[in-house]
Amino acid sequence: GNSVTQMEGPVTLSEEAFLTINCTYTATGYPSLFWYVQYPGEGLQLLLKATKADDKGSNKGFEATYRKETTSFHLEKGSVQVSDSAVYFCALRGSGNQFYFGTGTSLTVIP
Amino acid sequence: GAVVSQHPSWVICKSGTSVKIECRSLDFQATTMFWYRQFPKQSLMLMATSNEGSKATYEQGVEKDKFLINHASLTLSTLTVTSAHPEDSSFYICSASGTGRETQYFGPGTRLLVL
Repeated sequence: GNSVTQMEGPVTLSEEAFLTINCTYTATGYPSLFWYVQYPGEGLQLLLKATKADDKGSNKGFEATYRKETTSFHLEKGSVQVSDSAVYFCALRGSGNQFYFGTGTSLTVIP
Repeated sequence: GAVVSQHPSWVICKSGTSVKIECRSLDFQATTMFWYRQFPKQSLMLMATSNEGSKATYEQGVEKDKFLINHASLTLSTLTVTSAHPEDSSFYICSASGTGRETQYFGPGTRLLVL
């Protein structure tokens, strides 16, 4: 079956620190992988995606590379800002267009 | 592009009443819409998947008679929580995808509080 495992939070970082949020997946076939971000009181917004192995998704300084050999899609950012404080969800899209979400990782960036 | 709206954003109702939540795709035709429920500090739980003009497919454990879903057009899906009770209080989020669109686009969510 399909599933996504994310590192548990919460994560607290100082501004300009390096961020890594781990995500691994289990899937049948070749899923597309996504990172969504949810700011307080809001719905989910697509942050980045990758549709095939070795693809790198990037947006707003965040990056994630689709690693088929390790079934991973870790999210990274070189220098976080206070405005990056949010909950981050890793997800995969299965063959039936259904999304499977990780449990989310809460990030707090302090000045 | 690919904007999904939800209405209302907040609703407070008395126990026993029914509440309707609308989900609209504003600039694309949503052949499939999804309804999720999110509990505080938890991930999204898929409740049901609806295709335009068809009956919704509910996930295991979701009461279809309590959570009525209608997807009557390519831009509108509604979720009606019937005879709401305090345990139905939650954050309800819809998402939509269109033909040829791999990504789901999420609405901003509706927070329901049942007193």
